[in-house]
Amino acid sequence: KQEVTQIPAALSVPEGENLVLNCSFTDSAIYNLQWFRQDPGKGLTSLLLIQSSQREQTSGRLNASLDKSSGRSTLYIAASQPGDSATYLCAVLPQGGSEKLVFGKGTKLTVNP
Amino acid sequence: GAVVSQHPSRVICKSGTSVKIECRSLDFQATTMFWYRQFPKQSLMLMATSNEGSKATYEQGVEKDKFLINHASLTLSTLTVTSAHPEDSSFYICSARAPVWSGGSETQYFGPGTRLLVL
Repeated sequence: KQEVTQIPAALSVPEGENLVLNCSFTDSAIYNLQWFRQDPGKGLTSLLLIQSSQREQTSGRLNASLDKSSGRSTLYIAASQPGDSATYLCAVLPQGGSEKLVFGKGTKLTVNP
Repeated sequence: GAVVSQHPSRVICKSGTSVKIECRSLDFQATTMFWYRQFPKQSLMLMATSNEGSKATYEQGVEKDKFLINHASLTLSTLTVTSAHPEDSSFYICSARAPVWSGGSETQYFGPGTRLLVL
């Protein structure tokens, strides 16, 4: 059974700092991995999607890497801003055509001005 | 990007009543929609997968008679919580995926969620 773990559960940093969020998964047989952002009481916004054949994806100040063999992904946020404060969720789509995303519990990020 | 809406965004109801939540894909056709439930400080738990024109597939432990799902069209799926009880209070989120053959990708687009409070 696929399990996704995110460390740390919460992170507080000063504005301007570069930071890394971690995601690990137990079964390397995945189709893709996604990073989402969730603001309090809101739905999910897809940030980056990495296919299993890819190593990383970049969007603006965000860079996500994927090491499928070791079951790890990182989300790097450069020059953090208070507006980046949110919960960041990692999810994998297992191979096998189930279409069922498996989510981690998320990392709650607070960027202090 | 694609937009998915949910209605209502927040609902408070009395115990024993039924509540219907709508999920709409606004600018694309979604053959598959997903319903999730999220408890405070917890991750999203998939409840069921809804395919247009067929019966929903429920995850283990989810009562299909309690959580009725109808995917009547390519842009609308509804979740009805029947005879709601306080333990059903939660944040319900839907997502939609466009089929690859229509130009869609594997990305699921999520709705803004519906906060249900059962008194």
